[in-house]
Amino acid sequence: DGGITQSPKYLFRKEGQNVTLSCEQNLNHDAMYWYRQDPGQGLRLIYYSQIVNDFQKGDIAEGYSVSREKKESFPLTVTSAQKNPTAFYLCASSPQGAEQFFGPGTRLTVL
Amino acid sequence: AQKITQTQPGMFVQEKEAVTLDCTYDTSDQSYGLFWYKQPSSGEMIFLIYQGSYDEQNATEGRYSLNFQKARKSANLVISASQLGDSAMYFCAMREGRNYGQNFVFGPGTRLSVLP
Repeated sequence: DGGITQSPKYLFRKEGQNVTLSCEQNLNHDAMYWYRQDPGQGLRLIYYSQIVNDFQKGDIAEGYSVSREKKESFPLTVTSAQKNPTAFYLCASSPQGAEQFFGPGTRLTVL
Repeated sequence: AQKITQTQPGMFVQEKEAVTLDCTYDTSDQSYGLFWYKQPSSGEMIFLIYQGSYDEQNATEGRYSLNFQKARKSANLVISASQLGDSAMYFCAMREGRNYGQNFVFGPGTRLSVLP
């Protein structure tokens, strides 16, 4: 079945560590997105990519990095520079000009 | 300035009744899209309905309809015959521009609680 997968579902990180969240889609969508959601809040855009090997910063890119080497994959690295990384992270993809399809999310907790 | 405003942090509705969730938006683009998503407690985001800025008819999808008032920059979601499973967070979102520059903006959300 076509869809978006995110792994892991739950992730625990020690302070000072970098962690990478996986996002894969087999929908053949050009655009992919990463969002952060804090409890009781809306979604805030971290990074987005409209095409392979190209990506743009969103509203809260500091402390995060991404890559888009393949159309299907858009991993997000949460670096030690991100001071408050505990949150729910959602990955999405969309064909040009259409709605976004979301993955199930990754809950990141810093210990 | 907020591009998407949802003025109702929380709403209650009796089962089987209709409910309207408000959304107003701000854009200077002529071409844009408006979306509504549902987020149950599991966290997944479920796409509900879409309205294009050039669409003359209000969008409908089953029990969901979008009351689109372009001059007022309003895109309210109407849920008819509410069910207990409709209890969730609801987000209004906007995509500005045409096919490219697909920067989606989400509103803060409205928590809907359906009462038995």
